[in-house]
Amino acid sequence: DAGVIQSPRHEVTEMGQEVTLRCKPISGHNSLFWYRQTMMRGLELLIYFNNNVPIDDSGMPEDRFSAKMPNASFSTLKIQPSEPRDSAVYFCASRMRQGGRGRRDTEAFFGQGTRLTVV
Amino acid sequence: GNSVTQMEGPVTLSEEAFLTINCTYTATGYPSLFWYVQYPGEGLQLLLKATKADDKGSNKGFEATYRKETTSFHLEKGSVQVSDSAVYFCALSVGAGGTSYGKLTFGQGTILTVHP
Repeated sequence: DAGVIQSPRHEVTEMGQEVTLRCKPISGHNSLFWYRQTMMRGLELLIYFNNNVPIDDSGMPEDRFSAKMPNASFSTLKIQPSEPRDSAVYFCASRMRQGGRGRRDTEAFFGQGTRLTVV
Repeated sequence: GNSVTQMEGPVTLSEEAFLTINCTYTATGYPSLFWYVQYPGEGLQLLLKATKADDKGSNKGFEATYRKETTSFHLEKGSVQVSDSAVYFCALSVGAGGTSYGKLTFGQGTILTVHP
């Protein structure tokens, strides 16, 4: 398996523009996470999905951010309009949730990240 | 809610020194515990994990034991190498039940630098 694939690897955009980050999780995984990493705030969970359904989006900074998972093999994180403070590395991760009492979740596998710079 | 607290860094060691990075957690439910490592310019990758109390996770000379009584999962290595220089993250995940089931929560990360 190629692992979690994110695109683009780098994105430079002007303030006010729309930015779309893409993620292809590992085939067969049923949970997907979007994280943001900055020096100031560290690693922040933005949103996560189970079986393509958003479970917790409390980490999404504001209405400018939106995430979708139209099917099990694709997810997007959109920022519209973008601002300089959105500059960060955005990571997507996926894993297999086993669910049920007594069952343990597997580890999450991370993509290489998208480095976003908003100027 | 669930949370993970790691010792503050950065940590700077000489090669072959002993390493400990402390990690404590609070969780509703019975979490699985993980250590992830991030090398420069890369994503996070799993280093080791433990899924129940007293389990010891180990990999590449690193070890951590799931201590339920102290809610801790400290990372140790007996002899570090320059190639171990990276950022280390402690994380937890709670399984079924509760409003945050399946949520993977990370600590703030600890930067480790190993000098020759």
